[in-house]
Amino acid sequence: GDSVTQMEGPVTLSEEAFLTINCTYTATGYPSLFWYVQYPGEGLQLLLKATKADDKGSNKGFEATYRKETTSFHLEKGSVQVSDSAVYFCALSVPNTGNQFYFGTGTSLTVIP
Amino acid sequence: NAGVMQNPRHLVRRRGQEARLRCSPMKGHSHVYWYRQLPEEGLKFMVYLQKENIIDESGMPKERFSAEFPKEGPSILRIQQVVRGDSAAYFCASGTGGSRTEAFFGQGTRLTVV
Repeated sequence: GDSVTQMEGPVTLSEEAFLTINCTYTATGYPSLFWYVQYPGEGLQLLLKATKADDKGSNKGFEATYRKETTSFHLEKGSVQVSDSAVYFCALSVPNTGNQFYFGTGTSLTVIP
Repeated sequence: NAGVMQNPRHLVRRRGQEARLRCSPMKGHSHVYWYRQLPEEGLKFMVYLQKENIIDESGMPKERFSAEFPKEGPSILRIQQVVRGDSAAYFCASGTGGSRTEAFFGQGTRLTVV
């Protein structure tokens, strides 16, 4: 079935460090891929998305490239800030299942000054 | 254009009572998703609805839980005879149902069963 596997957390980084959060997927169809971010006490917000192979989604310094050959959508940021501390969720939706969304378990990131 | 509105934001119920969680989707959205987030856990899918139709309820517990999305008004997630294990944050998301479009999330309802 369709599913997302993302890197276990928690992740703790120093400010200005490089961030990678791994995400791989399994899909029966041709999925769209998303990264959502959840700040403490709030709902999920869309961070970026990619809808076809080799697309790169980017926002607020974060990037992720849709890699069909490795079924991956890893999230990266070159220099994290304290304000990036949050939980990050990788997700996919597959049109031929009625656009159901499947989420990973979330990766908690803490950035320390 | 208002976002996805969930209410109440916080709900306290005694064991055995009923909890009703409401979700008004974004304007123009006809599809609603409900998820449950337990402390220190990820997001668990519960149910996916279109107006007057349940598309996928494979994540709903077989007993005590039900959901609806009527033609008029908000989507309702109903939990009967709540137990302590139902304490969680419940998130609603809405979308157009179109391919390759994202879902937009509400702020969530935090249910505490005492």
